[in-house]
Amino acid sequence: QSALTQPASVSGSPGQSITISCTGTSSDVGSYNLVSWYRQHPGKAPKLMIYEGSKRPSGVSNRFSGSKSGNTASLTISGLQAEDEADYYCFSYVGSSTWVFGGGTKLTVL
Amino acid sequence: EVQLVESGGGLVQPGRSLRLSCAASGFTFDDYAMHWVRQAPGKGLEWVSGISWSSGSIGYADSVKGRFTISRDNAKNSLYLQMNSLRAEDTALYYCAKSDCGADCLIDYWGQGTLVAVSS
Repeated sequence: QSALTQPASVSGSPGQSITISCTGTSSDVGSYNLVSWYRQHPGKAPKLMIYEGSKRPSGVSNRFSGSKSGNTASLTISGLQAEDEADYYCFSYVGSSTWVFGGGTKLTVL
Repeated sequence: EVQLVESGGGLVQPGRSLRLSCAASGFTFDDYAMHWVRQAPGKGLEWVSGISWSSGSIGYADSVKGRFTISRDNAKNSLYLQMNSLRAEDTALYYCAKSDCGADCLIDYWGQGTLVAVSS
């Protein structure tokens, strides 16, 4: 159960787009369409932003999108806004009722 | 509205035990799998354990396997985490989290967490 690999930090200016990658293996990200993404503001509980790789829950802005290619999932945020500044985590099923998070990515809006 | 309220955290000495509870409301508890996730101070999220709606499927992170036990009482709409042989590295905010289906499903709602500190 090794953590999925995410960049420690990314940054972008308001209005720009950024992409956060989440790299796993053929045993987790590559095997299941069960990758989700969470946003966490400081001192707050995480919030679901993307599920099953590319689906958005009701109420989540369409500026957020997800994709997957092979063993890597990606979260793209377009039209960056100040409120997007937060930590982002990917989460994947590993099999046998076990799951794993990515190490987290700190997004800074410049 | 989904509500998940954790309790049972506190300061405990290494090697001792603690039992966390999570009271769920706002949804049909016995339809959904549940998870425990923790976050050490200043660190990222770590999945700890998950349990299916019927308790028939249970999983643990390698870091807690053999020491922690997850359980649920559907009649009481409650989730539990029995933590034994606690170590300093178990110090974290422990979140109770709801899945979006009955078994092997992702997390869609989170509680606010209960803090566990393991120290002598």
